[in-house]
Amino acid sequence: GENVEQHPSTLSVQEGDSAVIKCTYSDSASNYFPWYKQELGKRPQLIIDIRSNVGEKKDQRIAVTLNKTAKHFSLHITETQPEDSAVYFCAARTSPDDAGGTSYGKLTFGQGTILTVHP
Amino acid sequence: EAEVAQSPRYKITEKSQAVAFWCDPISGHATLYWYRQILGQGPELLVQFQDESVVDDSQLPKDRFSAERLKGVDSTLKIQPAELGDSAMYLCASSLASPYLGTEAFFGQGTRLTVV
Repeated sequence: GENVEQHPSTLSVQEGDSAVIKCTYSDSASNYFPWYKQELGKRPQLIIDIRSNVGEKKDQRIAVTLNKTAKHFSLHITETQPEDSAVYFCAARTSPDDAGGTSYGKLTFGQGTILTVHP
Repeated sequence: EAEVAQSPRYKITEKSQAVAFWCDPISGHATLYWYRQILGQGPELLVQFQDESVVDDSQLPKDRFSAERLKGVDSTLKIQPAELGDSAMYLCASSLASPYLGTEAFFGQGTRLTVV
């Protein structure tokens, strides 16, 4: 099955600096890569996602890059603010098995990165 | 804005007792996921439904956990008997099911289970 590795596990930056979180995945059938932000005691919420037919996507201060050949994707946050402090999770979703197997859209998460932005 | 509803929000139970969690996905979402999240870790998939059918339960401890989605809408996850190691946040998520396009999974608020 799919295995998603996420690094670093903790990241501390000064306000205004950039933050980069990296993930690797194992299943070449994965075709959708979302990033979720989870604040303490709250539900994970999608902040950006990318599909396998795109190499980069940007939304204001957040960007995601995907390298399908190397099976890795990264989250980039520029001009960080204290409110960006949270746990960030990457995930990879496989496409369905055309032979009728059980891998229909399974969404596998990384272990998370605790981002702390110091004022 | 439509949300995934979960209940209860918090549950404290004694070990060896039975416990059940309920999830109502966003209307029209055919795919429903149950995840377990231990503090400090990423969500771990327990079971995935496509309509009323289980499409992945490879990580579900079937000797004590069961899940159903009888009419393809809301779902129940049950643990019997509960063990101390089951203490965690249980998250439900749902998404539209598109075979070849990735679609966003929306999470509920979760049920925090404490087994004592």
